[in-house]
Amino acid sequence: DAGITQSPRHKVTETGTPVTLRCHQTENHRYMYWYRQDPGHGLRLIHYSYGVKDTDKGEVSDGYSVSRSKTEDFLLTLESATSSQTSVYFCAISEYGQDYEQYFGPGTRLTVT
Amino acid sequence: RKEVEQDPGPFNVPEGATVAFNCTYSNSASQSFFWYRQDCRKEPKLLMSVYSSGNEDGRFTAQLNRASQYISLLIRDSKLSDSATYLCVVNVQAGTASKLTFGTGTRLQVTL
Repeated sequence: DAGITQSPRHKVTETGTPVTLRCHQTENHRYMYWYRQDPGHGLRLIHYSYGVKDTDKGEVSDGYSVSRSKTEDFLLTLESATSSQTSVYFCAISEYGQDYEQYFGPGTRLTVT
Repeated sequence: RKEVEQDPGPFNVPEGATVAFNCTYSNSASQSFFWYRQDCRKEPKLLMSVYSSGNEDGRFTAQLNRASQYISLLIRDSKLSDSATYLCVVNVQAGTASKLTFGTGTRLQVTL
């Protein structure tokens, strides 16, 4: 299994609070991604990174920001959590780019009350 | 039309059966195709890439039909442990960028 961890694995938070999710990899892969998964939807890309300090938006980026200060860490921040952001969040990594195989972390289950 | 479409199932099959899933995609310029497997409340895991010539990995065979824009996954001699949701994944060009697009999955339940 790819060396990807996510923390926390579960979180319950209140509407309006900021939340930061962490993804850590030990594979030294250049590309990292944040997805959310909701019933009836496929995995949807929130943001991705193609190198340290290099990030770009995905299809559902509103209300989210990211940072990557080290190759191994990719942080996802919900600036002011809303109930619509209740979801399962997956981090993924790939070595060569967005068109290539991606490997996923175990996920973070976030509930916003 | 969705970029990637799958029959959600569930497909209920007895152990030992052969089962096939199809997935259609809308972007004729797509070049990368994958099947992932996702167990309940777990992360997706890469099952296999799909190559133009078709490829096989043990009991699993993947095929690509570019003319009709679909990919398929065939599972032979189904095991109880094959019960999972199978995600079809295709790259989609968006301007100068390209990204992987995930289908919503086909659920397989293998029974005794």
